[in-house]
Amino acid sequence: SQTIHQWPATLVQPVGSPLSLECTVEGTSNPNLYWYRQAAGRGLQLLFYSVGIGQISSEVPQNLSASRPQDRQFILSSKKLLLSDSGFYLCAWSVWDLNQPQHFGDGTRLSIL
Amino acid sequence: RKEVEQDPGPFNVPEGATVAFNCTYSNSASQSFFWYRQDCRKEPKLLMSVYSSGNEDGRFTAQLNRASQYISLLIRDSKLSDSATYLCVVTGGGNKLTFGTGTQLKVEL
Repeated sequence: SQTIHQWPATLVQPVGSPLSLECTVEGTSNPNLYWYRQAAGRGLQLLFYSVGIGQISSEVPQNLSASRPQDRQFILSSKKLLLSDSGFYLCAWSVWDLNQPQHFGDGTRLSIL
Repeated sequence: RKEVEQDPGPFNVPEGATVAFNCTYSNSASQSFFWYRQDCRKEPKLLMSVYSSGNEDGRFTAQLNRASQYISLLIRDSKLSDSATYLCVVTGGGNKLTFGTGTQLKVEL
């Protein structure tokens, strides 16, 4: 069966520090991969998605970036975090078929001080 | 108009009650529809897909009305453990799903 791993579970970072969140999927090949952010009490905001290695689509302009160095690895990064980057970051995967649901990792709760 | 709209609630219902949520969507070309459940401070989890003919999974029934562009979720015999936020999800353009902001359900003794 397929599993998705996301780490760390929680992270506290100072403003201006870099960020790297990692997500890996097991049990499937060539998944679509997604990064979402959920601010407190808000809905899910799609940040990036990827349909293959090295292919990244950005949904909103921001100081975050994403990379997919391997088929089942998706990384969210920032060179300099802002206070507004605080939130709950979720990685998700789906099969390539658009009409299939997405499955989420446990999420990373990021607090910027 | 938002792509996916839900009443945020909260819906406060007694244990054993039947409760229904609706969700409207704006993209008439959407093909797939889902309900997710999200517990406080947790990731969303797929509850059920919504098929054109409607579908049932135990106490949960989902319906799709393409003409009026809405989907519904009915929960019968509510349990305390059903307390959560229910997210309506619709396929949009490209390889993306569009998530509603959720409807909060609180089941009380």
